[in-house]
Amino acid sequence: EPEVTQTPSHQVTQMGQEVILRCVPISNHLYFYWYRQILGQKVEFLVSFYNNEISEKSEIFDDQFSVERPDGSNFTLKIRSTKLEDSAMYFCASSPTEYSNQPQHFGDGTRLSIL
Amino acid sequence: GNSVTQMEGPVTLSEEAFLTINCTYTATGYPSLFWYVQYPGEGLQLLLKATKADDKGSNKGFEATYRKETTSFHLEKGSVQVSDSAVYFCALSDDSNYQLIWGAGTKLIIKP
Repeated sequence: EPEVTQTPSHQVTQMGQEVILRCVPISNHLYFYWYRQILGQKVEFLVSFYNNEISEKSEIFDDQFSVERPDGSNFTLKIRSTKLEDSAMYFCASSPTEYSNQPQHFGDGTRLSIL
Repeated sequence: GNSVTQMEGPVTLSEEAFLTINCTYTATGYPSLFWYVQYPGEGLQLLLKATKADDKGSNKGFEATYRKETTSFHLEKGSVQVSDSAVYFCALSDDSNYQLIWGAGTKLIIKP
């Protein structure tokens, strides 16, 4: 069964540095998403992406964050000038359409630790 | 706005016990409802879904029925196994936006 893959599984970075989290969505999916889960808290939506544009973003997704689809397979989340509170599990997801009855399929996540 | 409320955990049961994890929602439209499961050290896996009222989603012995009248989507399993130990998340989405709205998650611990 096709799956979403994320790399790296764990990223440790000094505060103030930039990080790029990578995702390979399922190949025939058109909609891509990033979520995060701070330890012990709810999963939170960050951003959705379609047709090389952001289709929706949350209040969390401020100027520190950006997303990109640099080629036909990868989908990246960049966090500039990381802060301690960016430490979280980051999940990438994809879905074939935007319709709510189509479930989003998730990767195993990247655990980001900011020191 | 839309929201999901789940029963707090952890829920600790013995093997072969009956499981219910409560989930209620508020939504302005007609959402689709999902249960995701996160096994230790793994990502979020879709467990089951229901997309309209009275639909029953089922998978791996788990079931949940979309109850519009009570705005609920409780997860049930007749006989749990140790391998069911995980965190279970209830979530919803509707066509007004692209995001999944998540419950807080319920940690399930099954003892042999």
